[in-house]
Amino acid sequence: GQNIDQPTEMTATEGAIVQINCTYQTSGFNGLFWYQQHAGEAPTFLSYNVLDGLEEKGRFSSFLSRSKGYSYLLLKELQMKDSASYLCAVRGDYKLSFGAGTTVTVRA
Amino acid sequence: DSGVTQTPKHLITATGQRVTLRCSPRSGDLSVYWYQQSLDQGLQFLIQYYNGEERAKGNILERFSAQQFPDLHSELNLSSLELGDSALYFCASSLTSASYEQYFGPGTRLTVT
Repeated sequence: GQNIDQPTEMTATEGAIVQINCTYQTSGFNGLFWYQQHAGEAPTFLSYNVLDGLEEKGRFSSFLSRSKGYSYLLLKELQMKDSASYLCAVRGDYKLSFGAGTTVTVRA
Repeated sequence: DSGVTQTPKHLITATGQRVTLRCSPRSGDLSVYWYQQSLDQGLQFLIQYYNGEERAKGNILERFSAQQFPDLHSELNLSSLELGDSALYFCASSLTSASYEQYFGPGTRLTVT
């Protein structure tokens, strides 16, 4: 099975940078995902890493180290609309297992 | 808008009852996934179908069942409902069973009283 850990909450200032860490233990690995979820809404896909390294997509970047079972999501130039829950998810076989999510609050 | 539709949006029912949640995947997507999200459990994978056949099973209770029909829409049946079944139920779809990106529907909020 999968065991996925990420911080419960983070707070940052508008325009700043925040890094959300995710560590995982898995019996099989077919990729690590980051999703954004606003309260009461559906998760939306942010990024996918299957090889080690950094993937950059606009203001969001995601990093993966498979040997360390570690990933992070970097949010740059924070905006108020970035206040949301960020879910780290690991795919083993066909199953996607989610962490509990990190609630990011952006303050003016 | 992800292109995945779910009905109903809200459902309120009593303990012991049975309900059916419906999902239509994005046009062209063959794979459908069901998830349950409750406050204390986070987002939990329930079951996946691909082109009408069950592909993977997660933490789905025996009281729950699902199927995917020839037109690719899917239904999740929840029976003998308990208070603890109150949650948001999401459906997601992807092009194939190996596609890495899943598109989530808006969810059905189930309240069991």
